[in-house]
Amino acid sequence: QVQLVQSGAEVKKPGSSVKVSCKASGGIFSSYTISWVRQAPGQGLEWMGRIIPIVGIENYAQKFQGRVTITADKSTSTAYMELSSLGSEDTAVYYCAREISHYMDVWGKGTTVIVSS
Amino acid sequence: EIVLTQSPGTLSLSPGERATLSCRASQSVSSTYLAWYQQKPGQAPRLLIYAASSRATGIPDRFSGSGSGTDFTLTISRLEPEDFAVYYCQQYGSSPMYSFGQGTKLEIK
Repeated sequence: QVQLVQSGAEVKKPGSSVKVSCKASGGIFSSYTISWVRQAPGQGLEWMGRIIPIVGIENYAQKFQGRVTITADKSTSTAYMELSSLGSEDTAVYYCAREISHYMDVWGKGTTVIVSS
Repeated sequence: EIVLTQSPGTLSLSPGERATLSCRASQSVSSTYLAWYQQKPGQAPRLLIYAASSRATGIPDRFSGSGSGTDFTLTISRLEPEDFAVYYCQQYGSSPMYSFGQGTKLEIK
């Protein structure tokens, strides 16, 4: 079955960037759509964007437009989410998830990103 | 932008009781595009219901979803101890492409 394995926790300085990876196993990676969702401490879920590797199409939430870049490496079945110009409000757990027909059926365990000076 | 509002914010019930969670959309949502997730502390969300009323693989039949238009409901017929968690509804639409409700916390009374 499909599994998504995310990279480890990160501590970043304000103004820097972070790049989180999400490696898929099982299934056919290029046929997936991978979304990124974040959750600030004690808060709800917030969709950031997605990528459709087979056609190379990316979609981003307007809130993150210009600050987030989602890419995919089909040769390693890995998706990436890079967020720039980090502020304390970006401290959160970042999840990747596989999309199927407009819902998310498989999730990674999450990557904690802490932004602190 | 479609906003999803979940109620109540917190629901206190006992094992064996029935839970009814509401998700109201600011505009009509296609039933095809409405999903429910369960999240326990320290864990990723887990898909429960998709297309408003279809159970995901492995989800017990005590979980059911219903609704259409702007009003959707997740019902847990008889609560088990492992059902106490936070529940989110999610819709697919436009700008943002996906949005989530703020969540309902189901706690043990």
